[in-house]
Amino acid sequence: QLVESGGGLVQPGGSLRLSCAASGFTFSSYEMNWVRQAPGKGLEWVSYISGGGRPTYYADSVRGRFTISRDNPRNSLYLQMNSLRADDTAVYYCASVAGGLLNYWGQGTLVTVSS
Amino acid sequence: QSALTQPRSVSGSPGQSVTISCTGTSSDVGGYNFVSWYQQHPGKVPKVMIYDVNKRPSGVPDRFSGSKSGNTASLTISGLQAEDEADYYCCSYAGTYSWVFGGGTKLTVL
Repeated sequence: QLVESGGGLVQPGGSLRLSCAASGFTFSSYEMNWVRQAPGKGLEWVSYISGGGRPTYYADSVRGRFTISRDNPRNSLYLQMNSLRADDTAVYYCASVAGGLLNYWGQGTLVTVSS
Repeated sequence: QSALTQPRSVSGSPGQSVTISCTGTSSDVGGYNFVSWYQQHPGKVPKVMIYDVNKRPSGVPDRFSGSKSGNTASLTISGLQAEDEADYYCCSYAGTYSWVFGGGTKLTVL
């Protein structure tokens, strides 16, 4: 099970840290991703992290502003989001990886960037 | 990292078949057999319907099938049912631990 938290309303230029709590599987063995979906729009891959925490990869739209990390003893995944913009407004999902598939998804947490 | 191309909408009557296409490039769809399809009902989490081009997770009806030719993948739903009405997204591994999604297709069951 994956449960996201940390979403909310933030002003443009602000920061927010999302968390994803994992349970029911050996978290450290799984690569993880963040995927987002703007209101009424499609899905967009955001970031990847390996089971051990390195390497990490980012979509061009967030590189340099977002940082993905994980705490395996705490079974937690994080997304630190800085310099937020209106077009970062979306539901953010954490998702595990199996082969080339984003297989298990959390229920998502809504981030709204607005003044 | 350009999005994969899907038709914005498709429709069909109950019992009929529909096919949704997903066109990418040799760097994503054409380069890997890691194409998946997600079904998303309004307000719900995306659900895997097809993975690795043509494999169905347990619990997904065999009315759903996937295929790929070159840079284009397809999802076919046969014997349409009312509950199939949803948004469908294709997704492909795009190399170097990145993924790319299609823009989504709204399926209407008439």
